[in-house]
Amino acid sequence: DTGVSQDPRHKITKRGQNVTFRCDPISEHNRLYWYRQTLGQGPEFLTYFQNEAQLEKSRLLSDRFSAERPKGSFSTLEIQRTEQGDSAMYLCASSLYWDTGELFFGEGSRLTVL
Amino acid sequence: EDQVTQSPEALRLQEGESSSLNCSYTVSGLRGLFWYRQDPGKGPEFLFTLYSAGEEKEKERLKATLTKKESFLHITAPKPEDSATYLCAVQARSGNQFYFGTGTSLTVIP
Repeated sequence: DTGVSQDPRHKITKRGQNVTFRCDPISEHNRLYWYRQTLGQGPEFLTYFQNEAQLEKSRLLSDRFSAERPKGSFSTLEIQRTEQGDSAMYLCASSLYWDTGELFFGEGSRLTVL
Repeated sequence: EDQVTQSPEALRLQEGESSSLNCSYTVSGLRGLFWYRQDPGKGPEFLFTLYSAGEEKEKERLKATLTKKESFLHITAPKPEDSATYLCAVQARSGNQFYFGTGTSLTVIP
């Protein structure tokens, strides 16, 4: 297993368009997280899955954001009607044990909204 | 509200010059405090987990310590390859998410 993979690595879109990011976690990891990171800031929590169940969602996440994890495997994060403020790095992480803090991060999907 | 504050924002060291990074936290019941390293354009990479005050963890030139209000990441005789952003995160007993600080950008000059 080569780790957490994210696709696409870079996405440039125009304001108002929809975008979707995909995350493939490490195969035996049942926990999956999405974070957003802007320049000079730490990762900001967006949402968390345990298997296919979305157990927690940030209050900061507007209705334009939706995430799924069908069958508890890969996950998708969709942003509808993108805004310039959505420009950021979207990071996916997976873990086997939720209380050890050992999250395995992907290299991220960088979104630029023009 | 759970909060993590890291200082300094940026730190430049000469190779071999030891120093410490600080992480102050406020959390309603700490489950764990975590240190990560992040290289430019990459996702964070896990370093340490600390669970209780007085606990220490070491890895090569890095040593992490924890008190009831803060954690320190001590870097002994750093090398240029230690240059990165170091992130601190906490997890509360009541939740699943990890709260990250804004990080300390470390540059080690040869």
